[in-house]
Amino acid sequence: DIQLTQSPSSLSASVGDRVTITCQASQDISHFLNWYQHKPGRAPKLLIYDASNLQTGVPSRFSGSGSGTYFTFTINRLQPEDIATYYCQQYDGLPLFGQGTRLDMK
Amino acid sequence: QLQLRESGPGLVRPSETLSLTCSVSGASIVSSSYYWGWIRQPPGKGLEWIGSVYYNNNTYKTPSLRGRVSISVDTSLNHFSLKLRSVTAADTAVYYCAVSTIIPRRANLPWFDPWGPGTLVTVSS
Repeated sequence: DIQLTQSPSSLSASVGDRVTITCQASQDISHFLNWYQHKPGRAPKLLIYDASNLQTGVPSRFSGSGSGTYFTFTINRLQPEDIATYYCQQYDGLPLFGQGTRLDMK
Repeated sequence: QLQLRESGPGLVRPSETLSLTCSVSGASIVSSSYYWGWIRQPPGKGLEWIGSVYYNNNTYKTPSLRGRVSISVDTSLNHFSLKLRSVTAADTAVYYCAVSTIIPRRANLPWFDPWGPGTLVTVSS
């Protein structure tokens, strides 16, 4: 079974910072990796699909990269409304989410 | 615009069956373009995909829940349902329904978008 290791599990950052989250797969999953934003009391929101494609309507400060087993998710110029938990999700096999990264404001 | 909304009891007794429905608007549940899915989030934990169903009732399920889960489509009501049998406190969670748009010849369950707002189900006596 494919395993996903997402890190860090939590981080604090300031407005305007660049934030990077990583997601490592236990085997090659090509580019079959997505990123979601989840705010408390809200539905999760798809931000990035296929590792690096920005979903329609998502601000360009969000980006993703990687392939194979190592992936990164970046927020450039962090905004207060970006406070949320972020998840990676692979679909090379049955869907599986990473453990999540809780982002809060420093 | 495709929209989803979950409904069902907020409290279920241990050992009983959890039953939820996801109402679909803005698209036909009989569409050949989508798989309809369920995902949950226990308190303080991450997201867990439960399973997904096609309009012909073909399903995929997560292995850890496969023996207790049923997911089905009701074409007359344009909704799909989740049944989880023999629940325990560990099944307490916010349950979301979500859509996967099929990528022909590549993936049936690539990503989930959009999602319903979610519904909290508590398992307690």
